[in-house]
Amino acid sequence: EVQLVESGGGLVQPGGSLRLSCEGSGFTFSSYWMSWFRQAPGQGLEWVANIKQDGSAKYYVDSVKGRFTVSRDNAKNSLYLQMSDLGAEDTAVYYCARYADSGPTTDPWGQGTLVTVSS
Amino acid sequence: DIQMTQSPSTLSASVGDRVTITCRASQILNNWLAWYQQKPGKAPKLLIYKASSLESGVPSRFSGGGSGTEFTLSISSLQPDDFATYYCQQYKTYPVTFGGGTKVEIK
Repeated sequence: EVQLVESGGGLVQPGGSLRLSCEGSGFTFSSYWMSWFRQAPGQGLEWVANIKQDGSAKYYVDSVKGRFTVSRDNAKNSLYLQMSDLGAEDTAVYYCARYADSGPTTDPWGQGTLVTVSS
Repeated sequence: DIQMTQSPSTLSASVGDRVTITCRASQILNNWLAWYQQKPGKAPKLLIYKASSLESGVPSRFSGGGSGTEFTLSISSLQPDDFATYYCQQYKTYPVTFGGGTKVEIK
């Protein structure tokens, strides 16, 4: 069974940093593009970042460029999101997701990890 | 950025009803359009990709249609498990963008 499990969320002060992790299992992690999405409380979905299988290509939404860094360790079947200079607008549930076998959409997604930015 | 506009934002329907959700894009998508279902407290689930292709394991009562800038998600006979929020997503260009969502409620 394909599974993605996020961790690392929590409460962080404005201006602080946090590193999210996502461990994949049940599939060949190194064969897939991976993505991060987020969803603010009561709001819709927002794409955050994509990373190619070997990490050689990365894409970000403008609102996180220069503050967030996506990376991966294929030997550990793990995806990461390093977040810095966090603001209240970054408060959200963060989901990792794998590219679907059917193409450049994403499925499945992990269960999500909540990041709360507050003093 | 490509803007995605969904309508309606809320839809009240009964079990057995046929429902249709519309998604409009600000640019031609060449069918790079997906639909997701999300239930409260859960992660989104892919239903439809490439505008009209049914993801494996998704019930056949779900169907996607449209082209260009206007797309639809239809549920032929609404089931109790289908009450959820539905999102369209364009993946033609970065940044990937979503519609605002349509909440399907019990009438």
